[in-house]
Amino acid sequence: DAKTTQPPSMDCAEGRAANLPCNHSTISGNEYVYWYRQIHSQGPQYIIHGLKNNETNEMASLIITEDRKSSTLILPHATLRDTAVYYCIVRVASGGGADGLTFGKGTHLIIQP
Amino acid sequence: NAGVTQTPKFRVLKTGQSMTLLCAQDMNHEYMYWYRQDPGMGLRLIHYSVGEGTTAKGEVPDGYNVSRLKKQNFLLGLESAAPSQTSVYFCASGRGTQLYGYTFGSGTRLTVV
Repeated sequence: DAKTTQPPSMDCAEGRAANLPCNHSTISGNEYVYWYRQIHSQGPQYIIHGLKNNETNEMASLIITEDRKSSTLILPHATLRDTAVYYCIVRVASGGGADGLTFGKGTHLIIQP
Repeated sequence: NAGVTQTPKFRVLKTGQSMTLLCAQDMNHEYMYWYRQDPGMGLRLIHYSVGEGTTAKGEVPDGYNVSRLKKQNFLLGLESAAPSQTSVYFCASGRGTQLYGYTFGSGTRLTVV
């Protein structure tokens, strides 16, 4: 799996957009970028994933650079409930992806009131 | 629509005791996983299963055994608990492809004294 690099912590004001960066310069052509988050003491929650096109769902948007070496998760209007550790994971989507996800230390996003 | 259910939620064991953690999913997922999470760290994969009757070792399998006799259940056993196994244990399940993400349980907090 491609290694990812994330800042250990970030702050964001409530109501503003939270932009979480992730570097994955060794990503392979068949690897997707996945984002999960873990709210304190809870199990991780899947947010979004993408291959090369930008993606949006009800939770967030994912922007992947054209060279696919980095990406940004955007929470458009952050609330206090978005305070969590956010994990960026790069992984193949099928076949070889059966043996689980590798979680790093992620980014601890703190939403300030 | 329970998703992934873990039992028990909390447990205190004495060194040398044995116990089994149960993970049950009602989404007909093929893949199931057991992770552990220690304070300030990301999740580490213990064992996983890609189908009924199959199991495989993850990153940190020593001291644990698993069984997947039924598709919906994945059991994690500690034969002789050690203080180093004090951790929060998370179970996850997923379809045969990562495109749909994993669903995690709410965790089991285990303390070995």
